[in-house]
Amino acid sequence: DIVLTQSPALAVSLGQRATISCRASQSVSISRYNLMHWYQQKPGQQPKLLIYRASNLASGIPARFSGSGSGTDFTLTINPVQADDIATYYCQQSRESPPTFGGGTKLELK
Amino acid sequence: EVQLVESGGGLVQPGRSLKLSCVASGFTFNNYWMTWIRQAPGKGLEWVASITNTGGSTYYPDSVKGRFTISRDNAKSTLYLQMNSLRSEDTATYYCTRDMNIGTTFDYWGQGVMVTVSS
Repeated sequence: DIVLTQSPALAVSLGQRATISCRASQSVSISRYNLMHWYQQKPGQQPKLLIYRASNLASGIPARFSGSGSGTDFTLTINPVQADDIATYYCQQSRESPPTFGGGTKLELK
Repeated sequence: EVQLVESGGGLVQPGRSLKLSCVASGFTFNNYWMTWIRQAPGKGLEWVASITNTGGSTYYPDSVKGRFTISRDNAKSTLYLQMNSLRSEDTATYYCTRDMNIGTTFDYWGQGVMVTVSS
């Protein structure tokens, strides 16, 4: 299985940039497709898709969210961070079955 | 508006069975693969089962293969998860999700249903 590694937590100030990373144990890219996706989960709620295929914004997601990366290293950026963005963020790969998720990064206020 | 509404969760003893349901609305159900994903209390997300849009093929991780069965009734826009031989490690919130039709990417999630396996 492809293992995705995320830092457990990140502290950020409101209005600043947050950069959340995800590293895969092997490449999750095929040709021009980077098969990494990002989800946001607030406490007591279901996850929500933010970014698909590394850099594509999901429907209804604000433009302050962006994604980048290829191969094994991917980044979710939130700029500027708003109070509503305090949540846990998960990466997920669809390069190989089984689809796997990172352990999540909890975004906290500094 | 896409909606996925799960039901059927609860407290069950180890070794017993439980069947979850997910009623979908707001989209053409039989055009999409569907997936169950679970989250143990305080833990991360784990893929549980997927089914093609026709129901002709199903997929499971080793952790549930042979114990869980995913199925669907396209006429009723309903997804199911039959869980047999339940174990304490199956305790989790179970989410019904829609696959985005670009591979296993989950663009809509239900609110989740809690399953607790305990004696």
